[in-house]
Amino acid sequence: AQRVTQPEKLLSVFKGAPVELKCNYSYSGSPELFWYVQYSRQRLQLLLRHISRESIKGFTADLNKGETSFHLKKPFAQEEDSAMYYCALSGRCTNAGKSTFGDGTTLTVKP
Amino acid sequence: DTEVTQTPKHLVMGMTNKKSLKCEQHMGHRAMYWYKQKAKKPPELMFVYSYEKLSINESVPSRFSPECPNSSLLNLHLHALQPEDSALYLCASSRAGRDTEAFFGQGTRLTVV
Repeated sequence: AQRVTQPEKLLSVFKGAPVELKCNYSYSGSPELFWYVQYSRQRLQLLLRHISRESIKGFTADLNKGETSFHLKKPFAQEEDSAMYYCALSGRCTNAGKSTFGDGTTLTVKP
Repeated sequence: DTEVTQTPKHLVMGMTNKKSLKCEQHMGHRAMYWYKQKAKKPPELMFVYSYEKLSINESVPSRFSPECPNSSLLNLHLHALQPEDSALYLCASSRAGRDTEAFFGQGTRLTVV
C-alpha cells in the first residue's frame, strides 16, 4: 500500500525566513513524487515533481530514498507563498494523475 | 489551452435527484480522473479513465457513475446520493503514462440535501 505523510497541518513563518514542508512516503516500488499547491480560491496546481529536478518559485525538493522523504524547501519565504501544500505519490508505472495525497500543510507567511 | 473546465461550479441536489457533473479538456490528454475532496482533507481518487476506458474504480458506490464519451469529455452521473456525499468533486487530466503531470479543474461544489 502507498501512503504519504505530512506531519505538519499548519506551518507559520515570517517573510524572509527559510521554510521546509515535510513529506514522508511509503511505497514498495519506484515512486514518482509531486508537490501540489492550492492558493486561496484557486485550483490545485502542480508545483514541482522530483523527476524534473526543477526549482519553481524558489522552491526545491529532493527525493531521499534512504529516508523515504521528499521535503519541500525555500530559503526565503514570501507572503505570496501562503497556501495549502500537498505532497503526492504516484507509482512510476501508472498514470501521473493516479496519485495518493498527503493530508496537506497550510503555510502562512507573516509580514 | 491548458485548462480543465468543470461545470457546474456549484450544485445542490436532493437525495432523489439525478444530476451530472461535466469535465472538459482540450490538451489532448488521454487520461482523466475524478477525485472527491471533503473540507480540510486531501483529494481522494475515485475513477481513472485511460484512452476513454475505465481503468480504475476505487471501490466507489454505484450511485456514482462515470462516463467518458470522447477523449475530451468526462462526466460523473449522480443518482440517489446521500448527504455525506457532499464535497468538492475535482476532475483532472494528464498525458497517459508516467513522466508527466496532472492538471486539475476548479471543481464542482456539491451539496446533497
